[in-house]
Amino acid sequence: EVQMVQSGAEVKKPGESLKISCKGSGYKFTNYWIGWVRQRPGKGLEWMGLIYPGDSDTRYTPSFRGQVTISADKSINTAYLQWSSLKASDTAMYFCARQAEGDMDFWGTGTTVTVSS
Amino acid sequence: EIVMTQSPLSLPVTPGEPASISCRPSQSLLHKNGYNYLDWYLQKPGQPPQLLIYLSSHRASGVPDRFSGSGSGTDFTLRISRVEAEDVGVYYCMQSLQSPCSFGQGTKLEIK
Repeated sequence: EVQMVQSGAEVKKPGESLKISCKGSGYKFTNYWIGWVRQRPGKGLEWMGLIYPGDSDTRYTPSFRGQVTISADKSINTAYLQWSSLKASDTAMYFCARQAEGDMDFWGTGTTVTVSS
Repeated sequence: EIVMTQSPLSLPVTPGEPASISCRPSQSLLHKNGYNYLDWYLQKPGQPPQLLIYLSSHRASGVPDRFSGSGSGTDFTLRISRVEAEDVGVYYCMQSLQSPCSFGQGTKLEIK
């Protein structure tokens, strides 16, 4: 059974760093892309970027490039999304999903990130 | 970047009645392999999105056959033949033809 298990909720202050994770299981981790999606409170879905764990090829939506870093450790079947300096506007739910032939077929339950002073 | 435009944004439906949602990308989603890289997702309240339809018209595993997708190029439609109470939520189209992928604004389906 394919599962995407995300790390738990985070509460941070502006300027702090953060790395959240997404562990894939039940399939060959290195053969599928992992995508990240942001959902701000009460808003729609925003596709942030994705990574191919097999060779770490990474793509970003322009508005997220330089704001976040997507990485992966294929030895432990885990992808990451990280920030070096959080802002209040980063407060959101972040989903990871396996991205197959373009479509996102298995999703994690999401990680809530709250940034507040 | 490809901009995805959905309509309507709000869709009140009586149970048992049909419903349809339109999605229009700013560029054609038809790949030279003949497939349209357009997917539909449903996000039920308090849940992550779930894949309903991929490559414009292919139902994902476990999706009831009352859901169907159609269209090509720059004009796509999601249809629900008979809406049930469990279908409430926000429906999104997404293109994956080119990076970055992009979602539509979402269509909120509610029961009348």
